[in-house]
Amino acid sequence: NAGVTQTPKFQVLKTGQSMTLQCAQDMNHNSMYWYRQDPGMGLRLIYYSASEGTTDKGEVPNGYNVSRLNKREFSLRLESAAPSQTSVYFCASRQGGYTFGSGTRLTVV
Amino acid sequence: EDQVTQSPEALRLQEGESSSLNCSYTVSGLRGLFWYRQDPGKGPEFLFTLYSAGEEKEKERLKATLTKKESFLHITAPKPEDSATYLCAVQDSNYQLIWGAGTKLIIKP
Repeated sequence: NAGVTQTPKFQVLKTGQSMTLQCAQDMNHNSMYWYRQDPGMGLRLIYYSASEGTTDKGEVPNGYNVSRLNKREFSLRLESAAPSQTSVYFCASRQGGYTFGSGTRLTVV
Repeated sequence: EDQVTQSPEALRLQEGESSSLNCSYTVSGLRGLFWYRQDPGKGPEFLFTLYSAGEEKEKERLKATLTKKESFLHITAPKPEDSATYLCAVQDSNYQLIWGAGTKLIIKP
């Protein structure tokens, strides 16, 4: 099925560990996004990529880096995880409306 | 400051009991207002986009309306399968989305 695929679905990290969240879309969309979702708050934009080869900071970029590997793939990297980064992370792509992946639930202990 | 506020935070209804969810916003240069549905453990799923005051959109038991300051999502004769969290987002003049925290809707049989 066409859509946005995120891996992994669940992850537990120790403080200071690093990891990369993977995202791929097969809809040929130009724009891709990384959001985090925390209880009682709206989705907050971490980074986005308006097109292949470009990336820009969103509202909460500190502690994260991204790579737009090609038109399909947009990865999010945590270099040194902190408990404040415990959250649910969503990748989305856009052409008109936004299409979201099913999320990665990350716990940093 | 651009802001989106959704109310109520949670709403419990009996099956067949119609009601409305509210999304009030302040944004400079509204490009559009989006409604999404989010089921537990899933990413948001697109419902509607509204672009100008007075506009209305319908889909099955859902109807979205827009004024200059707020949007309503009307649910007519809901069924248990309508239970979900409903998210509202506004797109600002830079085409970025500002999200509300959502309304959790529970429909009891």
